[in-house]
Amino acid sequence: GESVGLHLPTLSVQEGDNSIINCAYSNSASDYFIWYKQESGKGPQFIIDIRSNMDKRQGQRVTVLLNKTVKHLSLQIAATQPGDSAVYFCAENTWGKLIFGQGTELSVKP
Amino acid sequence: EPEVTQTPSHQVTQMGQEVILRCVPISNHLYFYWYRQILGQKVEFLVSFYNNEISEKSEIFDDQFSVERPDGSNFTLKIRSTKLEDSAMYFCASTGLSNTEAFFGQGTRLTVV
Repeated sequence: GESVGLHLPTLSVQEGDNSIINCAYSNSASDYFIWYKQESGKGPQFIIDIRSNMDKRQGQRVTVLLNKTVKHLSLQIAATQPGDSAVYFCAENTWGKLIFGQGTELSVKP
Repeated sequence: EPEVTQTPSHQVTQMGQEVILRCVPISNHLYFYWYRQILGQKVEFLVSFYNNEISEKSEIFDDQFSVERPDGSNFTLKIRSTKLEDSAMYFCASTGLSNTEAFFGQGTRLTVV
């Protein structure tokens, strides 16, 4: 069935540290995943995506890792900044429809 | 930068009343979506719309819900008879030809009293 879940509801990190947010999925046929950032009072904002033919994809300060064997993906944020404070969702993209996980709230301490 | 715009930002309505939430997707996009987010919960898919018809809808999208693209720019979500449990943030999203990266609007906060 369609199911995307997250390991932790909250994550607190020190400014400048690296952050790792994890996500598990259950459908082994899933082949396209996206990470979204949602700031308070705003809509989800695309961060980075990855397809199942890749294990890793890098963007600006962000890296997504996909482990198809254990059906797990993670978002790594390098040198976390106060502006990174938000809720982060992983989502499975199935022909455009997004199935979101519960979200992890990232708090960055100065 | 192009963006999806939604109006109103906040709507308060009495239970049983009809509401229409409005969205202007990005102008050259082809696929349109409505999602909702109950406070503190995850974002949930409601409906997708392509080529002037619904392409998929979730269990949440029952007979009380309808969508329309009345002209070349607007995309609306109507709830005919609102219930208390319809209170949520409603997000409109659109994607281009590749139907991959979805751009979301800022959302409409619907409060049913």
